[in-house]
Amino acid sequence: SQQGEEDPQALSIQEGENATMNCSYKTSINNLQWYRQNSGRGLVHLILIRSNEREKHSGRLRVTLDTSKKSSSLLITASRAADTASYFCATEDTGGFKTIFGAGTRLFVKA
Amino acid sequence: DTAVSQTPKYLVTQMGNDKSIKCEQNLGHDTMYWYKQDSKKFLKIMFSYNNKELIINETVPNRFSPKSPDKAHLNLHINSLELGDSAVYFCASSRRGQGASDTQYFGPGTRLTVL
Repeated sequence: SQQGEEDPQALSIQEGENATMNCSYKTSINNLQWYRQNSGRGLVHLILIRSNEREKHSGRLRVTLDTSKKSSSLLITASRAADTASYFCATEDTGGFKTIFGAGTRLFVKA
Repeated sequence: DTAVSQTPKYLVTQMGNDKSIKCEQNLGHDTMYWYKQDSKKFLKIMFSYNNKELIINETVPNRFSPKSPDKAHLNLHINSLELGDSAVYFCASSRRGQGASDTQYFGPGTRLTVL
């Protein structure tokens, strides 16, 4: 089974609204990352949060991590049409060498 | 300047054929990967090489054979293509290859369609 699973699978919002995506994982981790994938493109790294961090910001992105619940959330504030993409969380397997990606959340921001 | 490049971008071929996908990175990274993304967008690692040595080899049919002539290149050769091989294949690289501690840089993908 997947290590990281995103929720919801798909999200449609209006430009200017905030978008929140969640990721749950099963085993202990050292780090968790979020990536974005525009249609027809490769994944692009957004942000990394370490297991001893609870929250991290990067521009309009805010990531939280709750290791007790084995979950993370990605908040995009004041969304824009250009934020339309799939968003993936990535964690490591128990050996620490392999990155495991979830199935992603498809975000659609309507102009 | 493209950091991770793949060729070809699209590949349409008949069942049973043999094909190769090439990948190059100019980031000076030590580790390169091949991923397969299926129609449901699920991304699954296939192989990982660190300094030309195979370090991750997932449960992939042995029809798939990666080759790393040097640490900047990781090619994927697929023999006897099957319908189920249709997917988008992504190459990626990272500095050290330490799971989610390491940022991965992805190529644009190769969309393989097997008819």
